[in-house]
Amino acid sequence: SQKIEQNSEALNIQEGKTATLTCNYTNYSPAYLQWYRQDPGRGPVFLLLIRENEKEKRKERLKVTFDTTLKQSLFHITASQPADSATYLCARHRSGNTGKLIFGQGTTLQVKP
Amino acid sequence: DVKVTQSSRYLVKRTGEKVFLECVQDMDHENMFWYRQDPGLGLRLIYFSYDVKMKEKGDIPEGYSVSREKKERFSLILESASTNQTSMYLCASSLLGADYGYTFGSGTRLTVV
Repeated sequence: SQKIEQNSEALNIQEGKTATLTCNYTNYSPAYLQWYRQDPGRGPVFLLLIRENEKEKRKERLKVTFDTTLKQSLFHITASQPADSATYLCARHRSGNTGKLIFGQGTTLQVKP
Repeated sequence: DVKVTQSSRYLVKRTGEKVFLECVQDMDHENMFWYRQDPGLGLRLIYFSYDVKMKEKGDIPEGYSVSREKKERFSLILESASTNQTSMYLCASSLLGADYGYTFGSGTRLTVV
């Protein structure tokens, strides 16, 4: 079955450092992977979508990579700030690349001042 | 600012009640989704709709039904609420196709007593 796995342990880093979150998937590579941010008690907010032929995508301080050999996506936040503290979710489409997403359980990032 | 609006942020219902959760989007999106989110289980798809009056079961449809009479509105119905349906319910919408992110509502935290 298709799965998305994220490190369930919280990631604690110091302000100004680069945070790196990992997303691993099983079975065939999806054409797209998506990343979301979720704050406590709120709905997820879409951040980035990366296509399998893009390898890397950037948006301001965010960078996402897509490695189909490792079946892995990495999500980087450079120059992290306490305001970046949140849970980050990775998602892939189900077979047939329909609009339906499968979400990972998310990794909680805590950035300490 | 584009929006997905869920009618209630918090709701308390009694076991056996019929519960309606409403979701409205103003982006003219074709796809609409209902997820529930529980600690340790992540986001799980309940139902999905890709057009007016069209619906598909997700991973956990038992005990739920949906209605989509208008493109902008997608309702989730708990036919007879049970305590195991206590959860955070999240509505989302997206354009048709696999390469679009979801826009989520703020969520409804439902407690069934």
